[in-house]
Order: sequence, then C-alpha cells, then structure tokens
Amino acid sequence: QKEVEQNSGPLSVPEGAIASLNCTYSDRVSQSFFWYRQYSGKSPELIMSIYSNGDKEDGRFTAQLNKASQYVSLLIRDSQPSDSATYLCAASNQGGKLIFGQGTELSVKP
Amino acid sequence: DAGVIQSPRHEVTEMGQEVTLRCKPISGHDYLFWYRQTMMRGLELLIYFNNNVPIDDSGMPEDRFSAKMPNASFSTLKIQPSEPRDSAVYFCASSLDPSYEQYFGPGTRLTVT
Repeated sequence: QKEVEQNSGPLSVPEGAIASLNCTYSDRVSQSFFWYRQYSGKSPELIMSIYSNGDKEDGRFTAQLNKASQYVSLLIRDSQPSDSATYLCAASNQGGKLIFGQGTELSVKP
Repeated sequence: DAGVIQSPRHEVTEMGQEVTLRCKPISGHDYLFWYRQTMMRGLELLIYFNNNVPIDDSGMPEDRFSAKMPNASFSTLKIQPSEPRDSAVYFCASSLDPSYEQYFGPGTRLTVT
C-alpha cells in the first residue's frame, strides 16, 4: 500500500457545486496533513493544513480528518472555474518527511 | 517576503553535461527540501536539510545527483553527468519544521536532450 493515495480523476463538477476530494493514508504517515493546489505549469500552493480529527474550515474550503479510518478529505463549496487544478494530498511521516499523493485533477465546468 | 527563489526557471542541456540548480529559501526557515516532479512518478522528495546539514538523502536517485547547502540562504542541486531521464521539474521548498507547512519555489524545468 502506498503511504498516501488519491484518485487521480479527473473529477468534473459544475460551477457552484461542491467538489469532494479524498485521500487515504497508511500507518507510516500519521502526523500532519496538508492539501496543496497546483495549477498547470505552476508550483504547489498550500491551501489547508489539519493536525487533529474533525473539520477545519477556511472560506470555501473545509478539510476533514478521520484518523480511525485513515482518510482526509477536502470539500470545496461553490466551486468556481478558477478552482480547476490538481489537488495534492500530503502527510508527514515519523521521519519528518512530507509524502505526497499522486494528485486529483479537478475540472469545474461553467 | 519574496518567497522561495529558484534559478534558472528553465534549463535545456545535452546528455552528459553538468547541471546546477539553485535555491534561496524563505528567510528564517531552517528546513530546505528538494523535490522532483514527473508525470509518471509525481512529486518525489530527493533530499532535505536542517540548519544547512543534510538530514535525509534517501530519495537521491543515484551518485550523479548531489546537493549542498553552504549557508542558510543558498542551496544547490547538481546533476553530473545529466541524462534524458533526468528531465523533470525540480522544486525547492522551505519550512520552519518538517511537520509544518512547506512553501514551494516556482521550480526549474529541466530538459536533457
């Protein structure tokens, strides 16, 4: 099992809908969790970090962490075409390294 | 703050040539990371430094790759000799702590022909 796994997509949602991005992780990563957004040809940009079980909201973004089920998700409310990008899930392991998933491509259709 | 700075932004070289990529981390960040991103393998950590000291280089693909951090504001990643399979985007990132948020530079797109 990979340490961090994501569905590569593409995930397509209509403008204004809720986009739900999911990520599962193994026992080898368990410390901190992050969502990055990467536009084509650009560098990853941090959107959310979450360290404890539950939900964390920031504007239109909500990160959810469930350590018992070993998954972390990102919800984007009122999706906009400008949200179209690849979303990378990342988790830190006990050695302090950040392990990235392969990324989920999101397309928001006007 | 200017963020993480990388140079060059694009590099095209021939197989066998030496390539040097440069990075300036965010001031005050004690950790510096070098990543490589390809379509096939995604984003891979190559090496990271803490206070200028290499901590984990297990991701460095082979001896052709080397990295240095002579001071807190500068790091290099060198490939010698370069090969076509080294073609990728190389990112540098920095952070206050490896378990905290990492901030990425704009990347260097390397093409080896």
